[in-house]
Amino acid sequence: AQKVTQAQTEISVVEKEDVTLDCVYETRDTTYYLFWYKQPPSGELVFLIRRNSFDEQNEISGRYSWNFQKSTSSFNFTITASQVVDSAVYFCALSEVPIYNQGGKLIFGQGTELSVKP
Amino acid sequence: DSGVTQTPKHLITATGQRVTLRCSPRSGDLSVYWYQQSLDQGLQFLIQYYNGEERAKGNILERFSAQQFPDLHSELNLSSLELGDSALYFCASSVGQGAGLLGEQYFGPGTRLTVT
Repeated sequence: AQKVTQAQTEISVVEKEDVTLDCVYETRDTTYYLFWYKQPPSGELVFLIRRNSFDEQNEISGRYSWNFQKSTSSFNFTITASQVVDSAVYFCALSEVPIYNQGGKLIFGQGTELSVKP
Repeated sequence: DSGVTQTPKHLITATGQRVTLRCSPRSGDLSVYWYQQSLDQGLQFLIQYYNGEERAKGNILERFSAQQFPDLHSELNLSSLELGDSALYFCASSVGQGAGLLGEQYFGPGTRLTVT
């Protein structure tokens, strides 16, 4: 069965610190996609990244970077030089590739609440 | 702004009642997904429609139903409401029908349902 575990429930850092949010997933499929979403206090879910299971290259987007390691079934997210505006709940999610039109539901982790203090 | 719209933003109703949540996907998106977010269950997938047809079903109660109309907007109907149905209901949309090609799901702002 598919499962996503975000073991860190809450993380608190001081502005300008680097912080890594952990995500471990379980799936029996060889083809799947991983996602990260941000949920700020306003409540909406903001798409950050999608990565397929065949692409293990790390990705960097500004202060954000993602480390995908199939060997450990992890897809960790690092924020460099954190800012107060990064305070939010971050969700990691997993989706299998649809076969015969089975759709693309996302299985979410429980989320990590990041608090960045000035 | 993701381009996905949901109405209403807030809904307060009593137990036993029926409500309808509405979602308009981003222009060009053919898939609509519904998710429920609650404190005890987290974010749970309910159901997906692609171009008017049901594609995938998750932990959706029998009291809940959904449909996608020819103009691609979708409605989620919740009936015989219970206190435990209080949650934030999100709609998401994507171009494709799965997580693969064109599979990024963009979420609307959500509808907060409170059942009293």
